Amino acid sequence: DGGITQSPKYLFRKEGQNVTLSCEQNLNHDAMYWYRQDPGQGLRLIYYSQIVNDFQKGDIAEGYSVSREKKESFPLTVTSAQKNPTAFYLCASSSGTRTDTQYFGPGTRLTVL
Amino acid sequence: QKEVEQNSGPLSVPEGAIASLNCTYSDRGSQSFFWYRQYSGKSPELIMSIYSNGDKEDGRFTAQLNKASQYVSLLIRDSQPSDSATYLCAVNFGNEKLTFGTGTRLTIIP
Repeated sequence: DGGITQSPKYLFRKEGQNVTLSCEQNLNHDAMYWYRQDPGQGLRLIYYSQIVNDFQKGDIAEGYSVSREKKESFPLTVTSAQKNPTAFYLCASSSGTRTDTQYFGPGTRLTVL
Repeated sequence: QKEVEQNSGPLSVPEGAIASLNCTYSDRGSQSFFWYRQYSGKSPELIMSIYSNGDKEDGRFTAQLNKASQYVSLLIRDSQPSDSATYLCAVNFGNEKLTFGTGTRLTIIP
């Protein structure tokens, strides 16, 4: 089955800890994206990557880091510098053309205790 | 600042009626437009994409685009309780990214 997987589904973190969220896709898509969604809010772009070994900051990149060492993987690290990390994190991918559609993974819900 | 605006709702529609969801955007040069459906606690799933002025129909769903007036709408005919969800409008402003509205919460009343 082709698709996007995210793990874990739920994640609990203590304040001051870094945590890494996994995103893998087997759609052979070039572009991958990370979004954050807060209750009652739309999606806000954290980072995106158009090709391997290259990525750009989105609208709310502070306190987050990413890597893109493989085409199918785009992990997101939430660092201790992120002031309010509790949110629903969504990974998406697309073929990268301007008129293409982004497909979403199932999401990871992060809670900071 | 590129913006996408939606009425947050909630929008309540009787079962079997037509639900009409609206979205406005700030850049007249935008080329591609998307509607996503998001159930509570789940990730968004694509409902419709539209690129040209006019209507595009897919089953019970119709997307309408008016670039001159900078709005895009989604009509849901014969609304079902399973259509109750938040609907997100997204616009590609031509900069390799999608900008999302905050979503409209739709409730279908049996």
